[in-house]
Amino acid sequence: RKEVEQDPGPFNVPEGATVAFNCTYSNSASQSFFWYRQDCRKEPKLLMSVYSSGNEDGRFTAQLNRASQYISLLIRDSKLSDSATYLCVVNGGTNAGKSTFGDGTTLTVKP
Amino acid sequence: DGGITQSPKYLFRKEGQNVTLSCEQNLNHDAMYWYRQDPGQGLRLIYYSQIVNDFQKGDIAEGYSVSREKKESFPLTVTSAQKNPTAFYLCASSIGGDYNEQFFGPGTRLTVL
Repeated sequence: RKEVEQDPGPFNVPEGATVAFNCTYSNSASQSFFWYRQDCRKEPKLLMSVYSSGNEDGRFTAQLNRASQYISLLIRDSKLSDSATYLCVVNGGTNAGKSTFGDGTTLTVKP
Repeated sequence: DGGITQSPKYLFRKEGQNVTLSCEQNLNHDAMYWYRQDPGQGLRLIYYSQIVNDFQKGDIAEGYSVSREKKESFPLTVTSAQKNPTAFYLCASSIGGDYNEQFFGPGTRLTVL
C-alpha cells in the first residue's frame, strides 16, 4: 500500500461544477499536509496548506481528518483554468524532514 | 527575484555518460530536495539535504549522487549506473522541518539517447 493515495481520476467536469478530491495517508504521525497544483510539463506549485480546522481560499476549501487519516480538496464553481493535476502532500512524522507525494488526480474542466 | 533555478531546461546525453543537473536557490532555505517524475506518475524522492554538508538518501537513490557544499546549491549527478535515467527532474527547497512547504524549480528534462 502506498503511503499517500489519491483518487485515481481523471475527473472531467463542466464549468461551474463543484468537484472534490480525497487523499488518504498511512502514517498516523504525519505532521503537516498540503495540496499542490501541477500544470502539464511544469513544476508543482503550492495551492494551499491543510489545517485540522479546515481552511478556505476563495473557491477552494481544504479539510483534514486526522482520525480517519484523510485530507480533501473542494473546488467550487470550476473554471477552465482549474484544469491541472492536483497533488496531495504529507510531511514528517516518522519520515522526518521528508515529504511524501501522492500520484495526483487530474482534473479537466470543459466549457 | 528570489527563487529556485535549475539548468539546463532540456538535457540530452548518451547512454553510459554521467551528467550533472544544477539547482540553485537564493531563498536562504536550509533544506533542499531532488525528485524524479516519470510520465503520468507522481514525484519520487531521490536525495534530500536538511543542512549544508549533510544529505540523506530518498526512496530511489541508486544510480544518483549529490553534494551540498554550499547552502544555495544542491547539484545532482545522474551516473551511468542509473538504469532508466530519462525523466523529469525537479529540485525543491524549504525552510526545513516538517511544517513548511517546499518550493520547486522549473525542472530539467533529461533524455538518454
